[in-house]
Amino acid sequence: DAGVTQSPTHLIKTRGQHVTLRCSPISGHKSVSWYQQVLGQGPQFIFQYYEKEERGRGNFPDRFSARQFPNYSSELNVNALLLGDSALYLCASSWNDRYTGELFFGEGSRLTVL
Amino acid sequence: AQSVTQPDIHITVSEGASLELRCNYSYGATPYLFWYVQSPGQGLQLLLKYFSGDTLVQGIKGFEAEFKRSQSSFNLRKPSVHWSDAAEYFCAVGEKNTGFQKLVFGTGTRLLVSP
Repeated sequence: DAGVTQSPTHLIKTRGQHVTLRCSPISGHKSVSWYQQVLGQGPQFIFQYYEKEERGRGNFPDRFSARQFPNYSSELNVNALLLGDSALYLCASSWNDRYTGELFFGEGSRLTVL
Repeated sequence: AQSVTQPDIHITVSEGASLELRCNYSYGATPYLFWYVQSPGQGLQLLLKYFSGDTLVQGIKGFEAEFKRSQSSFNLRKPSVHWSDAAEYFCAVGEKNTGFQKLVFGTGTRLLVSP
């Protein structure tokens, strides 16, 4: 069975540009969460979407947005990129939006902002 | 706001020796507690979790963790380390009563296994 898949795996952008990261959850999973992992730090929660609705948002500026599609895949968008946005962006899926549903993480999209 | 502290950035253990990774949390009540492992180029994998009940939790790959309320700790242990256990380990807490899943992670401990 396919796990959580993310694309692209690596990308390089310049300051001020926009980026879109994509995530396909495990089949049957209706929840997608996004985390940012800066080098040397633990992952930090950005968003959770469940059944196409935003269920929670972390302490990130409005430059960060996301959406979930009817097939439960998700996109994370970041506008006006800053050097500090360079990080590994992790997507995780779960069958529900509660802690009883285990989070399964993808391998991430590594974003470098120059 | 809740937080998680993993005081050891790096730990080196000989293969076959025992392992204990420390985790302390700050939270107003007993949170949900998790340990994840991240191997190079891989996503995070859940090792074990604690919600309630027995304070000694068994996980995958021979790992266990013990919740100690009085010390606000959730240390991870393994009796005999294998070379394949070399990875980064993250402790995390889950905020209750938010209506959604939000994990707060520590900064991680990198485990090196020497022959």
